[in-house]
Amino acid sequence: NAGVTQTPKFRVLKTGQSMTLLCAQDMNHEYMYWYRQDPGMGLRLIHYSVGEGTTAKGEVPDGYNVSRLKKQNFLLGLESAAPSQTSVYFCASSSPPGRKNTGELFFGEGSRLTVL
Amino acid sequence: AQRVTQPEKLLSVFKGAPVELKCNYSYSGSPELFWYVQYSRQRLQLLLRHISRESIKGFTADLNKGETSFHLKKPFAQEEDSAMYYCARSGPAIQGAQKLVFGQGTRLTINP
Repeated sequence: NAGVTQTPKFRVLKTGQSMTLLCAQDMNHEYMYWYRQDPGMGLRLIHYSVGEGTTAKGEVPDGYNVSRLKKQNFLLGLESAAPSQTSVYFCASSSPPGRKNTGELFFGEGSRLTVL
Repeated sequence: AQRVTQPEKLLSVFKGAPVELKCNYSYSGSPELFWYVQYSRQRLQLLLRHISRESIKGFTADLNKGETSFHLKKPFAQEEDSAMYYCARSGPAIQGAQKLVFGQGTRLTINP
């Protein structure tokens, strides 16, 4: 059981380049999230998904796009990277809260992105 | 807007001393409050949540609705407690999705 896996773990981009971060979870979770972590600002929600084929904007969605074509995968895309998108990106997943489930978020290890 | 404030970016205490990590949240309805922890080279993980009223690794956190606070406490700090701690509150649930709002984080260092 790998849990939540993010690829790549590190990437350096030039301004204007595009890239996609992949998040995969093997826990059959309904919900998936993308957060960015910046010093002094904590984690901020970029986009999230409540199920296959659905996505929604979070707190800081500008400059990012997402897709959830399969339940286990949640992709985060940067069409034209900017230095302000230099950050550590975290994917997370969760199930609906229930009797045996706290609704806890399970996080990936993070992907460090640098935009020059 | 829902906000979570952790006033201390850095906190350093000696082993065996009491530790308290402060967290204040904006009042809006009846939020759920959480503490997440990230140990060195490990994933961010749930430490505890207020509705469980548990003590995890010796840590407890009491929800004070009057002061809108959810401070994390441990009476005797241990070196393995050194980590980054995030306080979080639930945002508006959308179809059950747990849209957490995180604080800025507090890096706790336990000195030997």
